[in-house]
Amino acid sequence: DAKTTQPNSMESNEEEPVHLPCNHSTISGTDYIHWYRQLPSQGPEYVIHGLTSNVNNRMASLAIAEDRKSSTLILHRATLRDAAVYYCILRDERGGSNYKLTFGKGTLLTVNP
Amino acid sequence: GAGVSQSPSNKVTEKGKDVELRCDPISGHTALYWYRQSLGQGLEFLIYFQGNSAPDKSGLPSDRFSAERTGGSVSTLTIQRTQQEDSAVYLCASSSLRGLQETQYFGPGTRLLVL
Repeated sequence: DAKTTQPNSMESNEEEPVHLPCNHSTISGTDYIHWYRQLPSQGPEYVIHGLTSNVNNRMASLAIAEDRKSSTLILHRATLRDAAVYYCILRDERGGSNYKLTFGKGTLLTVNP
Repeated sequence: GAGVSQSPSNKVTEKGKDVELRCDPISGHTALYWYRQSLGQGLEFLIYFQGNSAPDKSGLPSDRFSAERTGGSVSTLTIQRTQQEDSAVYLCASSSLRGLQETQYFGPGTRLLVL
C-alpha cells in the first residue's frame, strides 16, 4: 500500500488559516487522497477527498500538487472545534482491499484561542 | 438522520471474561467495518461486512475475536477470554458502498478496559 507522511503535530491560532501537509511520494495513478479527522473522544469523520484537481467543500479545501506526490489540507479559518488529529489516507480506486481505511499516526492540530 | 451508534460506550471487564460490543449502522448502509484504536496508536482494521458476502476477517488479531452481522444490519463484536492487551477503543463504521471512494461514517466507539 502507498504510504503517507505527515508531521506529528501543528499549532494554529483561532481565526487563522491552517495548512496541513501530507507527502505521498509513492502514490499510484489510481490512488485517491482522502482526509479524515478525529476530534477528542470521538470516532473519525470524513473531511474531503480528491484525485488530481483541487477540491473545496464546506469544511475545507484540498490542494494537490501537480505531480501528486504531496497534498495540503487547508482550513480557511481555524476554530477551536477544529482541534483534532488529521489523517491523510490513500485509497486505490481499482478495488481489492481498498474498502478499508489504513490510518497512520496523523497530525495533531492544536488551535490556540 | 441518525448516525452510527455503538453500545456500551464504556466497558470494564476482568481478564478472562467474554465481552460483546454492539454496532447499529446507518439505515440502508450495506457495508460495515470494525476498527480498533489502542492508546496512542492509530486505527487498526479488524473486520469488514458487505451485504451477503463472506466477511473479510483478515484484521482480527486472534481467534478470540469474532463478529457477526445479523439481517444485514446490527453487528456484534465478541472478544472471548479477554486479555489486558485487548484494552482499546473499538470503533464501528458503515458506508453505502455506492462507489469505491464512499465515505465511512464512524460511531463514537466503545472504550474497553480489561483489568
